[in-house]
Amino acid sequence: AQKVTQAQTEISVVEKEDVTLDCVYETRDTTYYLFWYKQPPSGELVFLIRRNSFDEQNEISGRYSWNFQKSTSSFNFTITASQVVDSAVYFCALSERGAGANNLFFGTGTRLTVIP
Amino acid sequence: EPEVTQTPSHQVTQMGQEVILRCVPISNHLYFYWYRQILGQKVEFLVSFYNNEISEKSEIFDDQFSVERPDGSNFTLKIRSTKLEDSAMYFCASSLDRRITEAFFGQGTRLTVV
Repeated sequence: AQKVTQAQTEISVVEKEDVTLDCVYETRDTTYYLFWYKQPPSGELVFLIRRNSFDEQNEISGRYSWNFQKSTSSFNFTITASQVVDSAVYFCALSERGAGANNLFFGTGTRLTVIP
Repeated sequence: EPEVTQTPSHQVTQMGQEVILRCVPISNHLYFYWYRQILGQKVEFLVSFYNNEISEKSEIFDDQFSVERPDGSNFTLKIRSTKLEDSAMYFCASSLDRRITEAFFGQGTRLTVV
């Protein structure tokens, strides 16, 4: 069974603050992929990052960074110096490979509000 | 940049009516997917499609749902007799390989059943 938990339902921060969105996953597979998607108020899903289970290197892309730790089954997402345009719902997702699954299991999302 | 496009962006239909949601995947992609997001809830997998047949489907994807690729470019989701609980955002996605490692999502179709 697969499970993705985003314990933070809603977060509010003041502009320019840093914020970390938590994601904890559960899988029995040794090969899997983790994703983050952004869903702005307009509703579309925007791909942010993909990580495979063999690559634990943290990644930084501009103001975004991701911390993947297999030991704690976490894949957390940090936004540095948040901006109002970062306000959105952020989804963490898991895809297993070993089971032949070819679909994504999403967490329940974290709604981030950045206050100007 | 290539993108997945979905039409219409919003559809309102009466309960019991048939509805067809349309998607144009990225042209060289081979795998196609439909996902659903009930308002305020998580995104859920419905079905995946490859080589003109369903490769995997979830429990949500019952006999009321069907998919097809009628003309080699469009990918459609049909709901035969809509129910109120079918009201949701429906996302189409496509990927080049079966592992959805680089799936691209469309902007979604908001379906409202009244």
